[in-house]
Amino acid sequence: QKEVEQDPGPLSVPEGAIVSLNCTYSNSAFQYFMWYRQYSRKGPELLMYTYSSGNKEDGRFTAQVDKSSKYISLFIRDSQPSDSATYLCAVTMEYGNKLVFGAGTILRVKS
Amino acid sequence: EAGVVQSPRYKIIEKKQPVAFWCNPISGHNTLYWYLQNLGQGPELLIRYENEEAVDDSQLPKDRFSAERLKGVDSTLKIQPAELGDSAVYLCASSLGNGAGELFFGEGSRLTVL
Repeated sequence: QKEVEQDPGPLSVPEGAIVSLNCTYSNSAFQYFMWYRQYSRKGPELLMYTYSSGNKEDGRFTAQVDKSSKYISLFIRDSQPSDSATYLCAVTMEYGNKLVFGAGTILRVKS
Repeated sequence: EAGVVQSPRYKIIEKKQPVAFWCNPISGHNTLYWYLQNLGQGPELLIRYENEEAVDDSQLPKDRFSAERLKGVDSTLKIQPAELGDSAVYLCASSLGNGAGELFFGEGSRLTVL
């Protein structure tokens, strides 16, 4: 079993839709949770970063962590064609420890 | 401010040939990472440097892979000899080291081994 599971998609939605992206993880020791966005032939860029459980909002993006069920989510409101990319979740136990990435979900927002 | 710079962006070689990738991190970033990303997969850590010291190289296949960061700034990742299965994107990332997970990635070096 992989430490982080993520549905690879692709997920195709119309412009303006609410998008829900999800990951599950197996190790309860993970404390830091991140979402990265990766455009085609580019490196990943950090979107959201959450410590422990709870919600965090940044513009159209909301990250949610439920440590009791080991489930992390990213919601995108009013999705735009420019949001079309691969979204990678990542977890780590503590600062200085290595990030463990999910496989990434391909998102396509159609105009 | 310039981001993480990697070169070459693309490299095609025959199997058993050597190849090297170069990375220049963001100025002032003490921590440097090399990640491997296979098609359709997330990045996997190969090696992490704190300044010039390799503090985590447990995932680096040391029989054919080597890395160095001699002056604690730029870094080189080498593969010798390359195998077909090494075809992938090699990502370099850097961080200040004062926060968890805030890595800044370069655009990657895409290797094709024929």
